[in-house]
Amino acid sequence: DADVTQTPRNRITKTGKRIMLECSQTKGHDRMYWYRQDPGLGLRLIYYSFDVKDINKGEISDGYSVSRQAQAKFSLSLESAIPNQTALYFCATSTGYQPQHFGDGTRLSIL
Amino acid sequence: DAKTTQPPSMDCAEGRAANLPCNHSTISGNEYVYWYRQIHSQGPQYIIHGLKNNETNEMASLIITEDRKSSTLILPHATLRDTAVYYCIVRDGGATNKLIFGTGTLLAVQP
Repeated sequence: DADVTQTPRNRITKTGKRIMLECSQTKGHDRMYWYRQDPGLGLRLIYYSFDVKDINKGEISDGYSVSRQAQAKFSLSLESAIPNQTALYFCATSTGYQPQHFGDGTRLSIL
Repeated sequence: DAKTTQPPSMDCAEGRAANLPCNHSTISGNEYVYWYRQIHSQGPQYIIHGLKNNETNEMASLIITEDRKSSTLILPHATLRDTAVYYCIVRDGGATNKLIFGTGTLLAVQP
């Protein structure tokens, strides 16, 4: 869905590096989410935000931080990357209780 | 959020109806049933959702049993492009709009 854009699409980096994944949306949605997906598993929620001033931890927030720079932008940071954070990362948006719309994902590999 | 149980995989012949079951025996009165699908590591795609009535849209139909403890997603005429992992999710009708993904059903549409 081109309305939710994630950058970069792929990233390979080394242990200990700081990494930022970015998500932007043109859907005008107030809510944004970050998920990670490990091979063969479903998505797990890392953080979510209901508006610029509202940030909430999901089920696996340790080792991650987020910033909601504007309604349309929500970034995910790994302060000091470790190999078990290698995964596929998805950003999603929604308005109110409407279905979430997902980006195409960022494939992150940490060596 | 209630947990869901889905078969890990199913096959369906192209052109036939695909019926994907989901059990959610601990669902509570204000929890919705959502279906998403994920095609080959792309971002999950919303299909349909319902509370207690059967629902139909251009993609699929959702049949929810009267006791709401199970549901079936129906793709009326499956095509090869419907091959994907299908996730049945029970979502809290309250404030958070969080989705808790299981491992889903891999539907393989055979030519």
